[in-house]
Amino acid sequence: KNEVEQSPQNLTAQEGEFITINCSYSVGISALHWLQQHPGGGIVSLFMLSSGKKKHGRLIATINIQEKHSSLHITASHPRDSAVYICATHTGNQFYFGTGTSLTVIP
Amino acid sequence: DTAVSQTPKYLVTQMGNDKSIKCEQNLGHDTMYWYKQDSKKFLKIMFSYNNKELIINETVPNRFSPKSPDKAHLNLHINSLELGDSAVYFCASSRLQGNEQFFGPGTRLTVL
Repeated sequence: KNEVEQSPQNLTAQEGEFITINCSYSVGISALHWLQQHPGGGIVSLFMLSSGKKKHGRLIATINIQEKHSSLHITASHPRDSAVYICATHTGNQFYFGTGTSLTVIP
Repeated sequence: DTAVSQTPKYLVTQMGNDKSIKCEQNLGHDTMYWYKQDSKKFLKIMFSYNNKELIINETVPNRFSPKSPDKAHLNLHINSLELGDSAVYFCASSRLQGNEQFFGPGTRLTVL
């Protein structure tokens, strides 16, 4: 069993829909990261959070430490949001990665 | 003004060869990382360096060795390449261990 589990694995949405990607982890963490990998392969860090909620534009990330769960929300989704979203946890010197959620937003 | 750069972008080589991938960051970060992304797109950390000290050494074969000549560079040397080494290798850096990471564009290694 992977220390970090993401769901769903694949997600297709219509443009404008509200999207939620979930991440559950089994170990104690110092921080949780959300990464975005574009179809061209480049990886961008979206959020690093250890409690509460963060917002950048149409993206919102939340974390519940007690439940060991994080969600990434995308409001008013757009085709350019199509990418793989990766959840990763960090504690001490240990990093664990989820297998990613592949999102396709259809115009 | 690329923040994290890697060279080469593509590397095609024969089994048994020795190769290196270079990484440089101009962000003044203290920590640098190497990741391997396999054909199933699963991302796995291989190494990280903090102020020229190896912090993480995941269970990778000792054919892989990171070399950091200075804080801005972390090169990856691979000896006796095997077919299973074919993957995309990403370099990244962060201000401190565990902070937000900035990724390089990746190096696609193909071993024939």
